[in-house]
Amino acid sequence: NAGVMQNPRHLVRRRGQEARLRCSPMKGHSHVYWYRQLPEEGLKFMVYLQKENIIDESGMPKERFSAEFPKEGPSILRIQQVVRGDSAAYFCASSPPDRAFGTQYFGPGTRLTVL
Amino acid sequence: AQSVTQLDSQVPVFEEAPVELRCNYSSSVSVYLFWYVQYPNQGLQLLLKYLSGSTLVKGINGFEAEFNKSQTSFHLRKPSVHISDTAEYFCAVSAMDTGRRALTFGSGTRLQVQP
Repeated sequence: NAGVMQNPRHLVRRRGQEARLRCSPMKGHSHVYWYRQLPEEGLKFMVYLQKENIIDESGMPKERFSAEFPKEGPSILRIQQVVRGDSAAYFCASSPPDRAFGTQYFGPGTRLTVL
Repeated sequence: AQSVTQLDSQVPVFEEAPVELRCNYSSSVSVYLFWYVQYPNQGLQLLLKYLSGSTLVKGINGFEAEFNKSQTSFHLRKPSVHISDTAEYFCAVSAMDTGRRALTFGSGTRLQVQP
């Protein structure tokens, strides 16, 4: 059973460009979470999605950031008009459905560098 | 809201010595507790978790942790470390509320095992 997959693993963007990060959850998992890790810091929750629904976006910056998890295909975290402060590692996690609490399994992350 | 404090940012230890990584949390509701390990340039791997039941939890790679509700702590221990245990360790909590599954992480403890 393949784990959580993220691509690209490394992404370089210039200020003002758009960044698209993709996450394919583990097989059978319908819950996806995005976290951001700034250098020398722990992970910070951004958003929690189920298929076609955003459940909790309390950690998402109000502007430039959006996330989706369509019925078919991977979850996408989109950052518009990137700035240097967006440079970080972005991790996706997934968990199984229909349980009181499903353990979150993490992908390898996408390291975004904004020049 | 929850918060997690990892009191030690770095812990140097000699190989085969015991180690304890400290974690304290604050929460107005009951929580689930987790320890994750992150190797350089990789994602997070679950070491162990406490959901309910026995307060002593055993995980992978010989690690264990004890939940102490009165002291709001969840310290991680290993009786004898190996060089391969060198990594960053994160303590995390999540509210016992299926609507909010976000993990709140501590800032991490870097375990450095020396020969």
